[in-house]
Amino acid sequence: EAGVTQFPSHSVIEKGQTVTLRCDPISGHDNLYWYRRVMGKEIKFLLHFVKESKQDESGMPNNRFLAERTGGTYSTLKVQPAELEDSGVYFCASSKEIGDYGYTFGSGTRLTVV
Amino acid sequence: AQSVTQLGSHVSVSEGALVLLRCNYSSSVPPYLFWYVQYPNQGLQLLLKYTSAATLVKGINGFEAEFKKSETSFHLTKPSAHMSDAAEYFCAVSGNAGNNRKLIWGLGTSLAVNP
Repeated sequence: EAGVTQFPSHSVIEKGQTVTLRCDPISGHDNLYWYRRVMGKEIKFLLHFVKESKQDESGMPNNRFLAERTGGTYSTLKVQPAELEDSGVYFCASSKEIGDYGYTFGSGTRLTVV
Repeated sequence: AQSVTQLGSHVSVSEGALVLLRCNYSSSVPPYLFWYVQYPNQGLQLLLKYTSAATLVKGINGFEAEFKKSETSFHLTKPSAHMSDAAEYFCAVSGNAGNNRKLIWGLGTSLAVNP
């Protein structure tokens, strides 16, 4: 089966611009997660979708971040406007069941805000 | 609340030597524990997980980890390192219900394997 696909793989934008990251989960996986790793820090949870609903968005840093999962398929994470501290690697993962912790991760999107 | 501490941000071993990567956790609920590996330019891959069954967990590529509740540890080991094991390794903890399902991660340990 195809894995979790994220694009772009790299993005360099200027402070104040908008960027949209996309994640295509494995087909049939209802659960989709976003995580972020800022350089030098641990990977942190951002949010969890079950189908198109936000199950847990406690990790979203602020209202400049907007995640959507229309139709319960792919998800987008928009950062608007981007700030320097938003730089990092954004990982997406998916799983079939809510209790399945063997998530499949994508390769990540490396976002650099300059 | 949950947290993970990985001792040693960089570990270097010789090919054929024992690999030991340390992970200690803190959790107010019964923990589920995980080790993930990230090879260069790839995503995170699950090595193994502990979800309250056997305390000695075997994973892929010859790795295993032992859950020790009394020591709040979940150290990762491999008897004989191979060059292909060079990667970054992450320990993570989660709960098993509600909003405790998210993974809480350690800082990661970069493993170098020398010929």
